[in-house]
Amino acid sequence: ILNVEQSPQSLHVQEGDSTNFTCSFPSSNFYALHWYRWETAKSPEALFVMTLNGDEKKKGRISATLNTKEGYSYLYIKGSQPEDSATYLCAFSRNYGQNFVFGPGTRLSVLP
Amino acid sequence: DAGITQSPRHKVTETGTPVTLRCHQTENHRYMYWYRQDPGHGLRLIHYSYGVKDTDKGEVSDGYSVSRSKTEDFLLTLESATSSQTSVYFCAISEVGEGSPLHFGNGTRLTVT
Repeated sequence: ILNVEQSPQSLHVQEGDSTNFTCSFPSSNFYALHWYRWETAKSPEALFVMTLNGDEKKKGRISATLNTKEGYSYLYIKGSQPEDSATYLCAFSRNYGQNFVFGPGTRLSVLP
Repeated sequence: DAGITQSPRHKVTETGTPVTLRCHQTENHRYMYWYRQDPGHGLRLIHYSYGVKDTDKGEVSDGYSVSRSKTEDFLLTLESATSSQTSVYFCAISEVGEGSPLHFGNGTRLTVT
């Protein structure tokens, strides 16, 4: 069973703060790493798909980096807004497979 | 929600009864997945399918079976439901390739009493 870890488990920040989360995964036979945003009472929605070591992706105030050699990815949110409050999930797959294993998530609360 | 429909949306059943959940897609995506969501565990893969009649087990497959007789439908069956299978079940679909994200359905809340 693949072990995908995320830290911190939860985070409370003030509006305007910048924050970042970590996703750790096995570094061998990497295939792809996804980040998802999951709002309460909704379904997870894809933020980023990352496939190459050194990948950096950006969407508005949110960005992500990938280090496949050491097995981690960072998600950054610049100038957090209350609407950023959600659980952020990473999902990992290896060996050219598409059976994605999810981490437990980081729950972000942005206080106005 | 990317043309994914899960049915039923809610179900209450008794221990020992069989239950089938359905996932229907209109996107013609090759891959379909069943995940369950439980507090403290996030999303855990039950089974997935990479084509018609092609399925494989995930990390929590015990007590579950799946079938995919058509591209658009992926069925999850609990042969004899147990209280530990009370959960929210999510279906997801994706295209082939490492650059393809998963698209999720709205979930099915199953309660086994």
